[in-house]
Amino acid sequence: SAVISQKPSRDICQRGTSLTIQCQVDSQVTMMFWYRQQPGQSLTLIATANQGSEATYESGFVIDKFPISRPNLTFSTLTVSNMSPEDSSIYLCSVGGLPRAIADTQYFGPGTRLTVL
Amino acid sequence: GENVEQHPSTLSVQEGDSAVIKCTYSDSASNYFPWYKQELGKRPQLIIDIRSNVGEKKDQRIAVTLNKTAKHFSLHITETQPEDSAVYFCAASYTGTASKLTFGTGTRLQVTL
Repeated sequence: SAVISQKPSRDICQRGTSLTIQCQVDSQVTMMFWYRQQPGQSLTLIATANQGSEATYESGFVIDKFPISRPNLTFSTLTVSNMSPEDSSIYLCSVGGLPRAIADTQYFGPGTRLTVL
Repeated sequence: GENVEQHPSTLSVQEGDSAVIKCTYSDSASNYFPWYKQELGKRPQLIIDIRSNVGEKKDQRIAVTLNKTAKHFSLHITETQPEDSAVYFCAASYTGTASKLTFGTGTRLQVTL
């Protein structure tokens, strides 16, 4: 596997503000994804972060609310914009296509716990 | 799109007993089925996976079976231990969709002494 880090690990934010979450991998990966996990719930895919192009969003998620960047093969950011209490969740990045690993296999970062007041 | 159902939502077993968690998927094109274990406050960790070209895979006390015809797959944990207590998620994906994972709703497994 690889070492995947996320920053910040947690944050408490005021409604109406924005937070940018960073995901860093210690090796080049083919795929990076962003998931949301609401309290006590399963994981829902927000978008696929594409290197050098716009992210691919899942139904129910839009770029204006969750802008994503992926400038290279080891780094991505997710911004949660104009936050409301309903955005309180754990946000996780995952990576796939690691060197010496089968392409389908995904590994998760430690997550960012966001609380919006 | 893909839909994955998972049962049961909670499961309590005594230490040493076996635990079985079942998932069904809707898209017959799905060909990759991982299982993740998530302990409280931790990230999901891949514990085992299976691809559609095999029917069963085993890793020590953990095994996964796949029935492509019925579109269901199961996780089997034998000789359960207290450290097996966690939430388990099944997932499905199809390589052609850039390996996007669709997750089941999760099973909270409690192993009691």
